[in-house]
Amino acid sequence: DAGVIQSPRHEVTEMGQEVTLRCKPISGHNSLFWYRQTMMRGLELLIYFNNNVPIDDSGMPEDRFSAKMPNASFSTLKIQPSEPRDSAVYFCASSTPGLPRAYEQYFGPGTRLTVT
Amino acid sequence: AQKITQTQPGMFVQEKEAVTLDCTYDTSDPSYGLFWYKQPSSGEMIFLIYQGSYDQQNATEGRYSLNFQKARKSANLVISASQLGDSAMYFCAMREGRRNQGGKLIFGQGTELSVKP
Repeated sequence: DAGVIQSPRHEVTEMGQEVTLRCKPISGHNSLFWYRQTMMRGLELLIYFNNNVPIDDSGMPEDRFSAKMPNASFSTLKIQPSEPRDSAVYFCASSTPGLPRAYEQYFGPGTRLTVT
Repeated sequence: AQKITQTQPGMFVQEKEAVTLDCTYDTSDPSYGLFWYKQPSSGEMIFLIYQGSYDQQNATEGRYSLNFQKARKSANLVISASQLGDSAMYFCAMREGRRNQGGKLIFGQGTELSVKP
């Protein structure tokens, strides 16, 4: 089975540009999570969805960040306009309440974003 | 407020020896889950082991075991017979609430483990 798929794997953009990160969760998983990893702040949750509905977006830094999940197999994280401090690795993860691995969040390979 | 603390920024261990990575947590929720993830230099996050707050026995997965001390709010990871491939960052994480509610993970700052030949 394919794991969580993220694209692009690397993104370099200039300050002020719009950036869209994409995620395809594991088929059958009903929860999807967006995390950001930086040296300063470590790993932190940005937002998560349950059955395509946003449940907790308290980690979204500001209005420049938005996330959508139009269907069970696709999610986007958009930054507009981007700033250098947004440079980080962005992970998408998914999970399922189904047994036996109901507790595990499966992470994608991450998107390394560099904003110059 | 929920919190995960890993007090060891870096650890060294000799190959084939056992090593314990510390993790303490704080939560007021009686139902929670504790996780350990491994992040090698390639960057992916690899799930290692899980412990539920109501689980009676300590979790084990191959060479990994979780030393769960509920009263102390600690969930230390023990790696037996260390291998060179174990060199990586290790993150402790906590999920509040029951497993079927999904739920976000709160991560500690990580411990960088280096295995010496």
